[in-house]
Formats: sequence, C-alpha cells, structure tokens
Amino acid sequence: TQLLEQSPQFLSIQEGENLTVYCNSSSVFSSLQWYRQEPGEGPVLLVTVVTGGEVKKLKRLTFQFGDARKDSSLHITAAQPGDTGLYLCAGGNSGGSNYKLTFGKGTLLTVNP
Amino acid sequence: GAGVSQSPRYKVAKRGQDVALRCDPISGHVSLFWYQQALGQGPEFLTYFQNEAQLDKSGLPSDRFFAERPEGSVSTLKIQRTQQEDSAVYLCASSPNRTPWEQYFGPGTRLTVT
Repeated sequence: TQLLEQSPQFLSIQEGENLTVYCNSSSVFSSLQWYRQEPGEGPVLLVTVVTGGEVKKLKRLTFQFGDARKDSSLHITAAQPGDTGLYLCAGGNSGGSNYKLTFGKGTLLTVNP
Repeated sequence: GAGVSQSPRYKVAKRGQDVALRCDPISGHVSLFWYQQALGQGPEFLTYFQNEAQLDKSGLPSDRFFAERPEGSVSTLKIQRTQQEDSAVYLCASSPNRTPWEQYFGPGTRLTVT
C-alpha cells in the first residue's frame, strides 16, 4: 500500500511570512499533484510534477519533486490570507491503465491578516 | 468551460435507506474517478472508469457500494442500506485522455446518515 505523509498537519502564520509544506513517501510515484481545497468545495489542481528534481513556480508558490520521486515540497512566499486552505499532495502511477491518486491527509494552512 | 458537477450537494439519509449520487464529468473526459473523503482526511480512492468500463473498483468498501457509467459520460454512485460509517463527502473527478493523472474534481456530495 502506498502512503503519503504530509507535514505539518496544521500551520497558522501571519500575512507576509514564508512557509514550506512537505509530502513524503517510501514509494516511488510517476507523478505528483498538489491540490488546494476550501471548505465545502472539491480539491483544485495547482500543479503536476513528473520528473525527479523538477521545480515548478506558480506566482508565489514553488513546487519541487524529489530526485527519487518519493517526496515533494510546496513553498509559499509572502503568504496572503487568500492562501488559506487545505493543501493536499497526491501521487499517481501510470502502471497499466490505472490513474488513481493516493492522497496525503493534507496540511491545513491559516494565514492571519 | 463547465467543470465537474455533482448532485445533490447534500444528502441526509436514514440508516438503511438507499442513496444515489450523480456525477457529470467535464465534456470529453475519458476517465472518471470516485473518492470518499472523511472529515479531516484526504480523499480515498473508490473506483475508476475509462469510458463505460469500470477498470478498478478495489476501493469500494463493501458490496453495498455500486458505481456505473453506462454511456461513458454521467456516472452514478449508489449506496445500498446506508450505515452511519458511510457518512462522508463523496468526490467525483474526471481527467482528459492526454493527461489522465491530472484530475479535476467536482464540489462533492456531503452524505450524512442518521
């Protein structure tokens, strides 16, 4: 069974601070996605990384996939209250034709004004 | 364009009732997934369709759970004889053929079994 562990589970910071969220596994994934979920809504896809060592930037968000494709991190610079939400990482495998995702439990981020 | 839609958004069922949850995927998306999300947890995989074929149902928790996608578009997740432990948010996602791992989620159906 593949598992993804996210840390920290909860994070409360002030507007303007930087933060990093981690996603770790003992298993190799062929792709890793980061999602953001707000209360009462479904997860919204932020980014997909597929190559070991890959770094992607989305405005103030920087995503990195580990060289061994077992771990990933999400760094937010100068956090804003609008960044508040549940951040989920999800790993996928393209073995055969099954593209189901394995999700971590998420990091609940609160950015205080 | 329109995203994934799910109905109803909220469902309250008495223990023992049957429920049916509907998912309308993004038009043209070949793959469709159902996930279950308990409070404070990440989504957990239930089942996966490619067009009308159900390729993986390994995540369905019991034989009370049944999913179908008869024409390769709309899908229905049915739960028979609901139990309290079935209370959760049920999420549907679809993905395009070109990048099947990039899944786009609907808003979910919150099921409460009393």
